[in-house]
Amino acid sequence: EAGVAQSPRYKIIEKRQSVAFWCNPISGHATLYWYQQILGQGPKLLIQFQNNGVVDDSQLPKDRFSAERLKGVDSTLKIQPAKLEDSAVYLCASSLEATSGSDGNEQFFGPGTRLTVL
Amino acid sequence: GDSVTQMEGPVTLSEEAFLTINCTYTATGYPSLFWYVQYPGEGLQLLLKATKADDKGSNKGFEATYRKETTSFHLEKGSVQVSDSAVYFCALSERPPLRSARQLTFGSGTQLTVLP
Repeated sequence: EAGVAQSPRYKIIEKRQSVAFWCNPISGHATLYWYQQILGQGPKLLIQFQNNGVVDDSQLPKDRFSAERLKGVDSTLKIQPAKLEDSAVYLCASSLEATSGSDGNEQFFGPGTRLTVL
Repeated sequence: GDSVTQMEGPVTLSEEAFLTINCTYTATGYPSLFWYVQYPGEGLQLLLKATKADDKGSNKGFEATYRKETTSFHLEKGSVQVSDSAVYFCALSERPPLRSARQLTFGSGTQLTVLP
């Protein structure tokens, strides 16, 4: 079974530029997550989709970050304009479903995109 | 809000040594607990989990027991190998109020290096 795919793996940009990351979740997984992992810290949830609807985007800096999940499959995360503090690894994860009795429902993670903002 | 506190690294051990990585949590409800592992250049992988008090999760020789009385979920392995070198993350999953889905809250990670 193919895992979660992400691209690009690495990206270097200058501050105030824009950047986009792409994620393809595991086939059949209804829920998709984007996390930001700053060096030396654990991943922090940015946004969570169920199918093509947003479940939670309370920690997404909406003045510069946006995300969409068209047709409930692939997703893109965009930053515009980027700041120095956005340098991090952006992780995408997916799970079969996120609700209810899915106690301990497993999230599967992609390899991440490492963003460096100069 | 929910939080996870992990033992700070890095941790360096010789092969076949005993490993403990401490993890404590704060949660408003009754969370599920996880250990994830991140090998160099790879994504996070679920190592083990426990969903209720006194449950023991185990995988690949690693174990952790859900201790509600001490709000802890310490990771242990009796004899580490060089291939266990990675970053280990403790995490909890709880459904936030007013939201429909469970979310993961991670600790800051502990880098483990095992020397031959």
